[in-house]
Amino acid sequence: DSGVTQTPKHLITATGQRVTLRCSPRSGDLSVYWYQQSLDQGLQFLIQYYNGEERAKGNILERFSAQQFPDLHSELNLSSLELGDSALYFCASSVDGGAQETQYFGPGTRLLVL
Amino acid sequence: GEDVEQSLFLSVREGDSSVINCTYTDSSSTYLYWYKQEPGAGLQLLTYIFSNMDMKQDQRLTVLLNKKDKHLSLRIADTQTGDSAIYFCAESLPIYNQGGKLIFGQGTELSVKP
Repeated sequence: DSGVTQTPKHLITATGQRVTLRCSPRSGDLSVYWYQQSLDQGLQFLIQYYNGEERAKGNILERFSAQQFPDLHSELNLSSLELGDSALYFCASSVDGGAQETQYFGPGTRLLVL
Repeated sequence: GEDVEQSLFLSVREGDSSVINCTYTDSSSTYLYWYKQEPGAGLQLLTYIFSNMDMKQDQRLTVLLNKKDKHLSLRIADTQTGDSAIYFCAESLPIYNQGGKLIFGQGTELSVKP
């Protein structure tokens, strides 16, 4: 158990809908990352937050957004969902978000868009 | 560019050693990681190596890094059936605003036969 929690574990929804994925980092970690794992793209970095502020963006679609709250939990919002958004979404956390920091991953949320 | 390559499959007999190889392209990586993913599960951090080290040993795991050739390997001694999983190599890259992201390989599926 990494100490990173994610809810829900599974999510099934329809095209065009909007969902919210939630992540709580390890105790003491200030930085949160979101990654997407899909069959065709593999594991890709989406976005990073540090202490409530966006720190870096990766391959995140404009239909997707995220935020980190004062209690340091983070939410990833996916809207206007398409079939191709079906994937496993991971949250990771680290102490202060630098490249030298080890990232610990949560169990993931498996999203299926029908 | 940012690219991490791994062979897709490896099959070994129980008790043998397994060697999983990885190559990367970006020389600015700070740390290199090995993560393990079991079916339906999240990413479990196995071990990591700092980019200026050559070798790291951790119980049954040995990581070798050839920085000149940008080649990383993970050796699992006395491989057990419980080691069957997908193994991901990842490099940690600094990004703007003091952030850090992981670039993952495609994963190597290790199959251990009794």
